[in-house]
Amino acid sequence: GAVVSQHPSRVICKSGTSVKIECRSLDFQATTMFWYRQFPKKSLMLMATSNEGSKATYEQGVEKDKFLINHASLTLSTLTVTSAHPEDSSFYICSARAQREGQINHEQFFGPGTRLTVL
Amino acid sequence: DAKTTQPTSMDCAEGRAANLPCNHSTISGNEYVYWYRQIHSQGPQYIIHGLKNNETNEMASLIITEDRKSSTLILPHATLRDTAVYYCIVRGGLFWGGFKTIFGAGTRLFVKA
Repeated sequence: GAVVSQHPSRVICKSGTSVKIECRSLDFQATTMFWYRQFPKKSLMLMATSNEGSKATYEQGVEKDKFLINHASLTLSTLTVTSAHPEDSSFYICSARAQREGQINHEQFFGPGTRLTVL
Repeated sequence: DAKTTQPTSMDCAEGRAANLPCNHSTISGNEYVYWYRQIHSQGPQYIIHGLKNNETNEMASLIITEDRKSSTLILPHATLRDTAVYYCIVRGGLFWGGFKTIFGAGTRLFVKA
């Protein structure tokens, strides 16, 4: 199957700093990418949907000014956690939907996740 | 909100079939049933999907009831590496973009030696 990578896999930062997480689709083009966060022993919570070349659509309750999403190309989306605080510590997972011309788009591939710890 | 209901956890003996049920009584006609799994501290992995017919691939089989209100994921010969959280998801299939994938709580499957 297609591969989605995330960088970094782990990051520790001080409270008040900003952290950027990259999500790349390595061998396919993705018009749509999704960002999730996951707290320990909880399910994935969708944060936002990112379409290449346009503004991201955020889920209710997710602060768009705090979680900046940029989807500059068909293979790269970034999530920036601005002014991070300890409560932002979480596992962040991106997902990319493969672009298949003329076919119903079933395939969605997930990255390995980025564990953010804010001290 | 997730549109599916799954048991919180299940046990299975290694080498035996693992049958994971899912209820999706409000599924609509154009929605598919998808199964993903997440091994600890990794991203979710796609397993299988179906609309109304039973499906089988190298990983699992998916049995969907005739009224489509429930389904069962079958891992025919579970191994220790199949220990994971299994998510049953209902979602539309769509050209290009498409619907969001919303995760419920999933079923935590423990495969025991």
